[in-house]
Amino acid sequence: QKEVEQNSGPLSVPEGAIASLNCTYSDRGSQSFFWYRQYSGKSPELIMFIYSNGDKEDGRFTAQLNKASQYVSLLIRDSQPSDSATYLCAVTGGGADGLTFGKGTHLIIQP
Amino acid sequence: NAGVTQTPKFRILKIGQSMTLQCTQDMNHNYMYWYRQDPGMGLKLIYYSVGAGITDKGEVPNGYNVSRSTTEDFPLRLELAAPSQTSVYFCASTPRDSSYEQYFGPGTRLTVT
Repeated sequence: QKEVEQNSGPLSVPEGAIASLNCTYSDRGSQSFFWYRQYSGKSPELIMFIYSNGDKEDGRFTAQLNKASQYVSLLIRDSQPSDSATYLCAVTGGGADGLTFGKGTHLIIQP
Repeated sequence: NAGVTQTPKFRILKIGQSMTLQCTQDMNHNYMYWYRQDPGMGLKLIYYSVGAGITDKGEVPNGYNVSRSTTEDFPLRLELAAPSQTSVYFCASTPRDSSYEQYFGPGTRLTVT
């Protein structure tokens, strides 16, 4: 069974600091990796996706992928109170399979 | 575009009742998905469809049924509701396959008592 593991937190980070979120996955056949942000009572919204080993940057967000270690991370620079949310890691082998989600990490940015 | 829409937003069912959760997308996406999210948990795949007339089971299909008669609509049917089906249900769509971003609807919060 495919599994995605995340530390549920809460992870508390001071405003302006770097927040580091981590995720491991069990299926070595996973091809695509996503980070979704979910505010309480809302639907998930895509923050970043990554397909290849290494880093991918988009504004204040950097996704990192290490397929050999089966590890994905998300860095949020200059954290803002509006970044306080649950961050869901999701992976897929592609095709029609759908996403396998972790339980999410609850991030709190302290003003 | 309205994106992915879901109705109803909230529903309370009694044990043994049935209902259909509606999902519609106006982006002409072939792939559509139903997920459920229990409190404090990630989303789990219930059913998915790669196009009109084609559906398949996901990780947690028991107690649910789906149909896909058009590209736009992907309703989820609950038969004989049970308390274990209390959850938030999200519909999602994507243009090609799961390698691409999935667009989520606003969700339906269902309580079975």
